[in-house]
Amino acid sequence: AQSVAQPEDQVNVAEGNPLTVKCTYSVSGNPYLFWYVQYPNRGLQFLLKYITGDNLVKGSYGFEAEFNKSQTSFHLKKPSALVSDSALYFCAVRDRTAGANNLFFGTGTRLTVIP
Amino acid sequence: DAGITQSPRHKVTETGTPVTLRCHQTENHRYMYWYRQDPGHGLRLIHYSYGVKDTDKGEVSDGYSVSRSKTEDFLLTLESATSSQTSVYFCAISDFPGTSGYNEQFFGPGTRLTVL
Repeated sequence: AQSVAQPEDQVNVAEGNPLTVKCTYSVSGNPYLFWYVQYPNRGLQFLLKYITGDNLVKGSYGFEAEFNKSQTSFHLKKPSALVSDSALYFCAVRDRTAGANNLFFGTGTRLTVIP
Repeated sequence: DAGITQSPRHKVTETGTPVTLRCHQTENHRYMYWYRQDPGHGLRLIHYSYGVKDTDKGEVSDGYSVSRSKTEDFLLTLESATSSQTSVYFCAISDFPGTSGYNEQFFGPGTRLTVL
């Protein structure tokens, strides 16, 4: 079975400080991992993905994520937070060996960047 | 929103009435998906399609049916709406994986459905 856990419903960070949004996953095989962001009254926007290769993945808007196989984690990071980064963030996973093409999403983490 | 439109964007209906939501894409992507978003649950897959007339169930398919008669359109039908189906519904698309092994999904703007 595939699952994703985002242990924090809410993360608050001061503008200019580094931010981390946590994600852990469970799959039977090797994973494909994704981060999406949702702004109010909008659909989800793709930020970045890990398919294979370098464990540090760089994405849109200065975000990056580190794949850690031993800890089954894929935390989202940014060196310096902006107020405009305030949004709802979702981590998603797919087992490479799964027959279907669908993703499993976490419950989301609301990031608030305080001016 | 990556050439994906959803209609209607908002709908209020009564328990027991049929409801159809439409997703239209201009990207010619093979895969299309319907998700529902609820507080505390994130996004959950309802149904997906891997080609014209090829569909399969997702995690929360009970009470929903889908149809895909054209590449660009994916319809979600609630045969007899219930209050538990009050939610925000998102359509997503993705292309054939190719050499990467997997392609990310792109999401539409969503439909807010309220069942009274």
